[in-house]
Amino acid sequence: GAVVSQHPSWVICKSGTSVKIECRSLDFQATTMFWYRQFPKQSLMLMATSNEGSKATYEQGVEKDKFLINHASLTLSTLTVTSAHPEDSSFYICSARDLKAALQETQYFGPGTRLLVL
Amino acid sequence: GQQVMQIPQYQHVQEGEDFTTYCNSSTTLSNIQWYKQRPGGHPVFLIQLVKSGEVKKQKRLTFQFGEAKKNSSLHITATQTTDVGTYFCAGDSGNTPLVFGKGTRLSVIA
Repeated sequence: GAVVSQHPSWVICKSGTSVKIECRSLDFQATTMFWYRQFPKQSLMLMATSNEGSKATYEQGVEKDKFLINHASLTLSTLTVTSAHPEDSSFYICSARDLKAALQETQYFGPGTRLLVL
Repeated sequence: GQQVMQIPQYQHVQEGEDFTTYCNSSTTLSNIQWYKQRPGGHPVFLIQLVKSGEVKKQKRLTFQFGEAKKNSSLHITATQTTDVGTYFCAGDSGNTPLVFGKGTRLSVIA
């Protein structure tokens, strides 16, 4: 099946530093990737939609200058949390749609990245 | 905007009992998807329903899509401890990102 990887899986950083998270589709191409944030015991909240070769579309309330998204290729999207603060601590999950899948609307999720900002 | 409501929020069952979670969308959906997230893990795709009134089965799991394509349910027969996790429905209105319900957290007491 379609596999999506994320790196790193865990990151602990000091307040004020920037953190980059990578999301890769390993065995398929994805023109669209999605970034979600999930706080403990809560649902997935969509942050932004990442489109290959174009600017990301951010959801209301998500600061695009703080959460920089780059989708440089059909298999890689990155999320950079700039000047991270403790309130940014969360579980960040990416997902990707397989262009050639029979169920094209299906999203395949990465394993997530747990960010802890001290 | 589109909203997806899911109930119950929590469900505790004895092993062997049945379990059902319900999902309702404020708008008509092109399809609905179900995901399972184990504690500490990430959402894993279970199934997608597309047709009005569609019913699909996966072993002990039965998924239904309402006639109006605005509601759905997931039913687990004779739960097992391996069924523990949070079950999310996610609605797709077509050309939009999925909108997730808040999930139903299932715990199974052996």
